Amino acid sequence: DAKTTQPTSMDCAEGRAANLPCNHSTISGNEYVYWYRQIHSQGPQYIIHGLKNNETNEMASLIITEDRKSSTLILPHATLRDTAVYYCIVRVRNFGNEKLTFGTGTRLTIIP
Amino acid sequence: DAGVIQSPRHEVTEMGQEVTLRCKPISGHNSLFWYRQTMMRGLELLIYFNNNVPIDDSGMPEDRFSAKMPNASFSTLKIQPSEPRDSAVYFCASSPSGGGDTQYFGPGTRLTVL
Repeated sequence: DAKTTQPTSMDCAEGRAANLPCNHSTISGNEYVYWYRQIHSQGPQYIIHGLKNNETNEMASLIITEDRKSSTLILPHATLRDTAVYYCIVRVRNFGNEKLTFGTGTRLTIIP
Repeated sequence: DAGVIQSPRHEVTEMGQEVTLRCKPISGHNSLFWYRQTMMRGLELLIYFNNNVPIDDSGMPEDRFSAKMPNASFSTLKIQPSEPRDSAVYFCASSPSGGGDTQYFGPGTRLTVL
C-alpha cells in the first residue's frame, strides 16, 4: 500500500471549514484513499473513501487531485466534537488485503 | 445496532497471568479484526478473520498471543503469559464482507500488565 504524509497537527476555529491535507505521491491506479478518525479514548471511526472522483457524505467531503497524488478531507462546519486524530490511508480494495495501515495522522483541534 | 462489543473495557493484571479479551462483531459481518494501539507503535493490525477463518496473523507479535473465532458472533484474543510490554489498548473491528469494506471498531480494551 502507498505511503501517506500528513501534517502532525492542525487547529481550526469552531464553525469554520477544516481542511486536512494528505500526500500520497506513490499511489497506484487501483488504490483507494480512505479517511478514518479517532476521538480520544474511542475506536477509530470511518469517515469517507474515494478512488478518483470527489466524494461527499453526511460527515465530510473528499477532494482528490486529478493526478491522485494528494487529497483533502473537508469538514464543512467544524464543531468541538470533531477534535480528533485523522488518518489518511491508501489501499487496494480486494479480498485478502484487509489491512488498514494507520500512520501517525493529523491531530485536529477545534478552537471555540 | 449495538455495534462491536468488547469486554472487558479495562483489565489490570500481573505479569505472567493469562489474559483473555473478548469481541462480539456486528451481526451479519463476515470479517473480524484485532488491532493493538500503543504510544510507541500506534495502531497495528494483529490478526484478521474472514468467515471465522484466520486469514492473516502476521501481525501477532509472538507465540504468547493467540486468537480464535469459534463462531460468527464471538472472538477471543488471549495472551499467555502476559508481560508489561503487552500493555496497550486492544481494538476489535468488523466489516460486512471484507474486500476493503469499511471497518467498524469497538470501544477497545485497555490492558495494563504490572
